[in-house]
Amino acid sequence: NAGVTQTPKFQVLKTGQSMTLQCAQDMNHNSMYWYRQDPGMGLRLIYYSASEGTTDKGEVPDGYNVSRLKKQNFLLGLESAAPSQTSVYFCASSPNRGTGGGEYNEQFFGPGTRLTVL
Amino acid sequence: GENVEQHPSTLSVQEGDSAVIKCTYSDSASNYFPWYKQELGKGPQLIIDIRSNVGEKKDQRIAVTLNKTAKHFSLHITETQPEDSAVYFCAASKGSSNTGKLIFGQGTTLQVKP
Repeated sequence: NAGVTQTPKFQVLKTGQSMTLQCAQDMNHNSMYWYRQDPGMGLRLIYYSASEGTTDKGEVPDGYNVSRLKKQNFLLGLESAAPSQTSVYFCASSPNRGTGGGEYNEQFFGPGTRLTVL
Repeated sequence: GENVEQHPSTLSVQEGDSAVIKCTYSDSASNYFPWYKQELGKGPQLIIDIRSNVGEKKDQRIAVTLNKTAKHFSLHITETQPEDSAVYFCAASKGSSNTGKLIFGQGTTLQVKP
């Protein structure tokens, strides 16, 4: 098992450009998450998907969009990149088997994508 | 919404000493508290977790304690080793949400000096 993989590993964008960060998991997990990590601010949830075909906003969703068309993939889009979106982005997945079990599920993280917006 | 505060932001100890990292949470409905370790250039990885019906949990050199009344929980690492140097994150989850969402603390950079 590769676990959670993210592409690309590094990316430099100019202000206003768009791009999609890709995340894939091969563990048949139900839930997937996108976080951004900034110095001194921990991991902040951008969007999450509790199950295939559903998505919901997290703490900091502005400027981002997501897509979960397939269970194993969760895409994070930046429509018009801004310097404030310079960050390290992590994708995670968890089994989240449903009522009575979802809240206790470990999240498995990918290696991250380092994004710089100039 | 839930808020998780983590202290200290940095911690430096001598090899062999103990390290303690503390977190407080705001939502009394939170019932799951994992701790993640992030090594340089990698994603966070779960090292230990505790549920609200348990006061303490140990796994070799690491332990977590939970005080539901005070709404705080702590990570204890004994006999620290250089390989324990990393960033540690606490998190809290509200069971009623059933989404597996975690709210993370700000992180603690632990340095273990040989």
